[in-house]
Amino acid sequence: GAGVSQSPSNKVTEKGKDVELRCDPISGHTALYWYRQSLGQGLEFLIYFQGNSAPDKSGLPSDRFSAERTGGSVSTLTIQRTQQEDSAVYLCASSSFLGRSYGYTFGSGTRLTVV
Amino acid sequence: AQTVTQSQPEMSVQEAETVTLSCTYDTSESNYYLFWYKQPPSRQMILVIRQEAYKQQNATENRFSVNFQKAAKSFSLKISDSQLGDTAMYFCAFMKLGDSNYQLIWGAGTKLIIKP
Repeated sequence: GAGVSQSPSNKVTEKGKDVELRCDPISGHTALYWYRQSLGQGLEFLIYFQGNSAPDKSGLPSDRFSAERTGGSVSTLTIQRTQQEDSAVYLCASSSFLGRSYGYTFGSGTRLTVV
Repeated sequence: AQTVTQSQPEMSVQEAETVTLSCTYDTSESNYYLFWYKQPPSRQMILVIRQEAYKQQNATENRFSVNFQKAAKSFSLKISDSQLGDTAMYFCAFMKLGDSNYQLIWGAGTKLIIKP
């Protein structure tokens, strides 16, 4: 696609439920990030995929969080047994690093609200 | 480890004025990129401008320009003739080059408000 697509745009879930957030990166982009952004705050790194390398999971806040990237394209961020502190905007970004494309393109994010 | 510092949590200027947002970083690397991203209320992160560390010439993109001082590890963003649509959060970011791990290190952001 022309840009990074994230779905759903907004998600309201009950505490304790599992949620899946989806990211469709730009076709051909090998690098993909997930970030979490709480209201009015900066970006909190969650996980980073680069090509066929093992993902950098060092930012995942707990074992309730996991992510996968199938076929080097679509990525899914799963949060199990959601807690109210998980409420935030989850942003996905991708890049190709071809030529002068040393910059990441972001999706519009998923706003997760845990009630 | 690299760090990025944005010392201005919030700034406010009148429309048409010029405003400068500061960013400093700490690294022992010599080969890297620096970025400014804008995040309006719509929450979409938009790349504003990018600077390659090996280039001495400051990057410019229309009304946006940077003052890159490599020795001082400073990377400020100047917005000329500010417009209401420039109201947003602005984030400075650092990326090391030279290996296959193109991770970004982010500053905490500066909230910029353009007043009519």
